[in-house]
Amino acid sequence: KAGVTQTPRYLIKTRGQQVTLSCSPISGHRSVSWYQQTPGQGLQFLFEYFSETQRNKGNFPGRFSGRQFSNSRSEMNVSTLELGDSALYLCASSIAGTGGETQYFGPGTRLLVL
Amino acid sequence: SQQGEEDPQALSIQEGENATMNCSYKTSINNLQWYRQNSGRGLVHLILIRSNEREKHSGRLRVTLDTSKKSSSLLITASRAADTASYFCASEGSGNTPLVFGKGTRLSVIA
Repeated sequence: KAGVTQTPRYLIKTRGQQVTLSCSPISGHRSVSWYQQTPGQGLQFLFEYFSETQRNKGNFPGRFSGRQFSNSRSEMNVSTLELGDSALYLCASSIAGTGGETQYFGPGTRLLVL
Repeated sequence: SQQGEEDPQALSIQEGENATMNCSYKTSINNLQWYRQNSGRGLVHLILIRSNEREKHSGRLRVTLDTSKKSSSLLITASRAADTASYFCASEGSGNTPLVFGKGTRLSVIA
């Protein structure tokens, strides 16, 4: 089975722009979670989607949004980018996102905001 | 913040030695997982221990869990240069709550 894929792998944007990141989960996985990783804050949970519905949401401003499609692929969007949004964005998939499931992570998208 | 803490933040050992990393978390959990991350890439799941378990082994990995102290430890025995990575614990509460990751321990294994 192919692993979790994320596109693009690297991205450079300027303040005020918006960005869309894409995540394709492992085939058969219906839960996709997104995380932001920075040196200062570590891994912070953004949101989780299951069957096209947002099931959990972390403590991030409304500039961060996401969605999931019927084929379980997910996108996250960040509008009005700020310097502090520079980070590694990781998505992870699991079969159903229920307790005790292993999360399979993609390689991440590294976003640099100038 | 709900994040847990790993201790130490960084650890440097010689190949063949054992490496022990500790993790503390803040709320009651259903299970605790350990992940490894190589240099800014995705995380790889290592092992899961449930709240009713005290110890679990997987190859050269040994994980313990003390729910009374809200802490866990990961022991890597006979370390290898390829074990060089960051290690994160992630706690999972009840219901469909998201994983809460600690800040990680950077392990360097010197050949």
